[in-house]
Amino acid sequence: AQSVTQLGSHVSVSEGALVLLRCNYSSSVPPYLFWYVQYPNQGLQLLLKYTSAATLVKGINGFEAEFKKSETSFHLTKPSAHMSDAAEYFCAVSERGGGADGLTFGKGTHLIIQP
Amino acid sequence: EAGVAQSPRYKIIEKRQSVAFWCNPISGHATLYWYQQILGQGPKLLIQFQNNGVVDDSQLPKDRFSAERLKGVDSTLKIQPAKLEDSAVYLCASEGSERGATYNEQFFGPGTRLTVL
Repeated sequence: AQSVTQLGSHVSVSEGALVLLRCNYSSSVPPYLFWYVQYPNQGLQLLLKYTSAATLVKGINGFEAEFKKSETSFHLTKPSAHMSDAAEYFCAVSERGGGADGLTFGKGTHLIIQP
Repeated sequence: EAGVAQSPRYKIIEKRQSVAFWCNPISGHATLYWYQQILGQGPKLLIQFQNNGVVDDSQLPKDRFSAERLKGVDSTLKIQPAKLEDSAVYLCASEGSERGATYNEQFFGPGTRLTVL
């Protein structure tokens, strides 16, 4: 069975600083990996996805993530944090490519941006 | 393009009562999911429909939860009777089925926040 571990339930960074949110996964087959963002009282929005093409994936709002098979990781980064990045971030895995397949999510990381 | 619609947005009930949630997916999307998101946790898949058939309901507590997707469009999720631990946000997501696509994105609705007292 697949699983996702997000290290750090809360991450606080200063505005303009590097954002690093950690995600490790477990999967019995080559996975598809995703990062979603959730703003208060809103649904989930896809930030970026890895679907077995390039290992460095660029997403919306300046975020990117790198798939590292040897480390079973898919960490999310952004070079310079903005106040509007404050939200809940979820890493998710799918074993059947997301085509008609439910996602397994991590517990989430709450990103706090300090002015 | 309209997104995934859910109603109601909020619901407060007492334990042992019944409740139903409604989801209208993006037009043309064949796959529909219901997720349960308990406070402080990530969403957990409850059930997956492909058109009007159930693909996966292995994590649905079938003694109290039921879901249907008549005519392969709208879906309802019902809890009867509700327990305190059912307090959560219930998210609906839909997914297209573009031929040849490596990946078809799941689009999430805003969710229904259920509080069981």
